[in-house]
Amino acid sequence: EIVLTQSPGTLSLSPGERATLSCRASQSVSSRSLAWYQQKPGQAPRLLIYGASSRATGIPDRFSGSGSGTDFTLTISRLEPEDFAVYYCQQYGSSPYTFGQGTKLEIK
Amino acid sequence: QVQLVQSGSGLTKPGASVKVSCKASGYTFTSYAMNWLRQAPGQGLEWMGWINTNTGNPTYAQGFTGRFVFSLDTSVSTAYLQISSLKTEDTAVYYCARAPRAWWFDPWGQGTLVTVSS
Repeated sequence: EIVLTQSPGTLSLSPGERATLSCRASQSVSSRSLAWYQQKPGQAPRLLIYGASSRATGIPDRFSGSGSGTDFTLTISRLEPEDFAVYYCQQYGSSPYTFGQGTKLEIK
Repeated sequence: QVQLVQSGSGLTKPGASVKVSCKASGYTFTSYAMNWLRQAPGQGLEWMGWINTNTGNPTYAQGFTGRFVFSLDTSVSTAYLQISSLKTEDTAVYYCARAPRAWWFDPWGQGTLVTVSS
């Protein structure tokens, strides 16, 4: 099973700043099979990125994903108030499909 | 639009069973796999497994065999998760989610909170 470790656990930033979230895998994730989700309190997760760098339908271009192998990054170029949430990475290169423990992005 | 609507939340006693439904709309139900995921209170996300909506064949992740059953009613585009012999540690929000091409999940149902308590 591939273990995903996200860092930092909590990120405190202000609107307008740039956020960089990391996801590290315990072994190489095949074919860049990594997705990112955003979850707000009381809501279901929402797909942001798949294939490590492809934005899902309707996702603003301030969200971008990069990386390959074992190291992946989600970048939010300029934080909007609605971006403060918990973010999860997920690998789907090999079953079981696993998630990181999440990064909480909070308002500073 | 593509949408998954789940049944409502509920309180159940240990040892009982519960069945969660997930009704799909806006796409051909049998064209995409349906997945089930769990999120315990304050915790992260766990993939429980998936069901082939064409054949009805389920696949369970480790830790979700025996008491967990995935099923379908394709006539009403609905997937089901049944959990038997409920334990307090089954308390969680359960989500259904479509796998649109590969095994990322989009969209998700709104979630069903199952609370197991005496």
